[in-house]
Amino acid sequence: DAGVIQSPRHEVTEMGQEVTLRCKLISGHNSLFWYRQTMMRGLELLIYFNNNVPIDDSGMPEDRFSAKMPNASFSTLKIQPSEPRDSAVYFCASRSTLAGGDNEQFFGPGTRLTVL
Amino acid sequence: QKEVEQDPGPLSVPEGAIVSLNCTYSNSAFQYFMWYRQYSRKGPELLMYTYSSGNKEDGRFTAQVDKSSKYISLFIRDSQPSDSATYLCAMRVGGGSYIPTFGRGTSLIVHP
Repeated sequence: DAGVIQSPRHEVTEMGQEVTLRCKLISGHNSLFWYRQTMMRGLELLIYFNNNVPIDDSGMPEDRFSAKMPNASFSTLKIQPSEPRDSAVYFCASRSTLAGGDNEQFFGPGTRLTVL
Repeated sequence: QKEVEQDPGPLSVPEGAIVSLNCTYSNSAFQYFMWYRQYSRKGPELLMYTYSSGNKEDGRFTAQVDKSSKYISLFIRDSQPSDSATYLCAMRVGGGSYIPTFGRGTSLIVHP
């Protein structure tokens, strides 16, 4: 069974450009989390979906960031316009809240974003 | 004060040593305690999961939770160079909340 899939793995872009990060959940999981990791701030939760519904987006830094779940197994995180301070590794993680499901989060390999 | 405190290290030990990694926390409502291992340029992977106080052992790894002291530990016996990674503690409350609070991570280096 495949784990969480993220694309692209690396993204280098220029300030002001739109960036779209993608995530595919583990089959059967119904919760999705987007995180950002930097040396300075560690792992920060950006947004959390349960059954396609955003539950907590208090970690989204500002209006330039938006996240969607167009279906039960796929999510996008968009930054528009991007800024150099958005440079970080972005992880998504999935989890099952259904009876008998795994209790904790499983992380994808991350997208390393560099904004010049 | 951050809700979860973890010394970033690095912690450098010789192969075969016993490693002790620790986190302290301030929220007494935390009930679920996890340790994640993160290799360089990879995502965190769940290593150990404990509910409430006590010890849990899995091979060379032992997780320990002391809720009275708000202190959790991960012990690695007979450490190997392949254990070199960043170890993040995480914890969450129960009652339907599934959002963990992560420590900053401790970088461990096991040298041959």
